[in-house]
Amino acid sequence: SAVISQKPSRDICQRGTSLTIQCQVDSQVTMMFWYRQQPGQSLTLIATANQGSEATYESGFVIDKFPISRPNLTFSTLTVSNMSPEDSSIYLCSARVTSGTSTDTQYFGPGTRLTVL
Amino acid sequence: QKEVEQNSGPLSVPEGAIASLNCTYSDRVSQSFFWYRQYSGKSPELIMSIYSNGDKEDGRFTAQLNKASQYVSLLIRDSQPSDSATYLCAAFSGGYNKLIFGAGTRLAVHP
Repeated sequence: SAVISQKPSRDICQRGTSLTIQCQVDSQVTMMFWYRQQPGQSLTLIATANQGSEATYESGFVIDKFPISRPNLTFSTLTVSNMSPEDSSIYLCSARVTSGTSTDTQYFGPGTRLTVL
Repeated sequence: QKEVEQNSGPLSVPEGAIASLNCTYSDRVSQSFFWYRQYSGKSPELIMSIYSNGDKEDGRFTAQLNKASQYVSLLIRDSQPSDSATYLCAAFSGGYNKLIFGAGTRLAVHP
């Protein structure tokens, strides 16, 4: 398994500002991901954080709005830029533990609850 | 058709009963399926995975996979009020590149 921590756990921000969320995994993992969970909704994948290269974004998410870094195999950051109230959500970091393609499992951090005023 | 579909519920069962949660999937997902439990205000917690046709049991939980009918189920025996949570069905899509989720089913176990 993997133990994942995130900072901050929650924040209240003003519109137009940016927030960077940090994610730390307790072991080296090949794949890390960022998800968003809006109130009352399921999880939506924002992007795959690639180590040493640009993140791979899902449809509807762009690098200018959600820049992602992944400097090594245990750490990633997600920035929410130029925030608006619509960005109020829980942002979740996830890491995949690989033991063969049919038995990969994915774990989640505790999430960052963001409120934009 | 969405890649992974769940009835959002709520599903209400009495304490001690069997809760049955269902999930259907499309041809666009890979044959690895996961059930996560999410308590209100918490992040998803992996409870079961299943890759082969048939049943897989772990304590009070049984996951069932039927590839011919393209559905995955989670049975919770002897349901307890502490099982009250949202249960998320997930599968790999885009090969094994990404894990995608159904809408989640809210389970309420009442005393």
